[in-house]
Amino acid sequence: GQNIDQPTEMTATEGAIVQINCTYQTSGFNGLFWYQQHAGEAPTFLSYNVLDGLEEKGRFSSFLSRSKGYSYLLLKELQMKDSASYLCAVRVQAGTALIFGKGTTLSVSS
Amino acid sequence: GAVVSQHPSWVICKSGTSVKIECRSLDFQATTMFWYRQFPKQSLMLMATSNEGSKATYEQGVEKDKFLINHASLTLSTLTVTSAHPEDSSFYICTAPREVNTEAFFGQGTRLTVV
Repeated sequence: GQNIDQPTEMTATEGAIVQINCTYQTSGFNGLFWYQQHAGEAPTFLSYNVLDGLEEKGRFSSFLSRSKGYSYLLLKELQMKDSASYLCAVRVQAGTALIFGKGTTLSVSS
Repeated sequence: GAVVSQHPSWVICKSGTSVKIECRSLDFQATTMFWYRQFPKQSLMLMATSNEGSKATYEQGVEKDKFLINHASLTLSTLTVTSAHPEDSSFYICTAPREVNTEAFFGQGTRLTVV
């Protein structure tokens, strides 16, 4: 089966940096995605990695190591509005659906 | 703006009735769409893959006679929850990739409550 693991909950303070880890064991690999989801809303796309290395997009960065089956999402200069669930997802094969991890609930406090 | 539109955003129905949820790709043709279900405080679980012009592919444990999927055109997929029961209450969401190896765009989701 496919397995994607990420921590259930994390807490941080405004202005800080937080790293959310994701490890995966899947039958194939065609890309890793990070989404943000606020309660009651649809997920919104944050980042996509298919090659090893770091992808930076503003306050958000995502890293991938395919050999280790590992990714992380780095959030800098945290704001209260960053309190949300962060979903790690893997596409096992081109054209197929994303498989999601259980999500990490991030709480940002002042 | 949204590239995948899902309707309705929320629906309340009586136990035993059927509910239809629509998912439309707005500015691209989607030969494949995916339907997910999300229970409270859980992640998205893939229910089925909707294929234009052919039968949907269902994930293990998902009843195909209960969750009817019809990919009527290159821009529309529908999910019908038949004979709904309270345990079917959930957040249903569709996604469609614009191209094969790109991100999947999500619809707004449908909150279904069966009373």
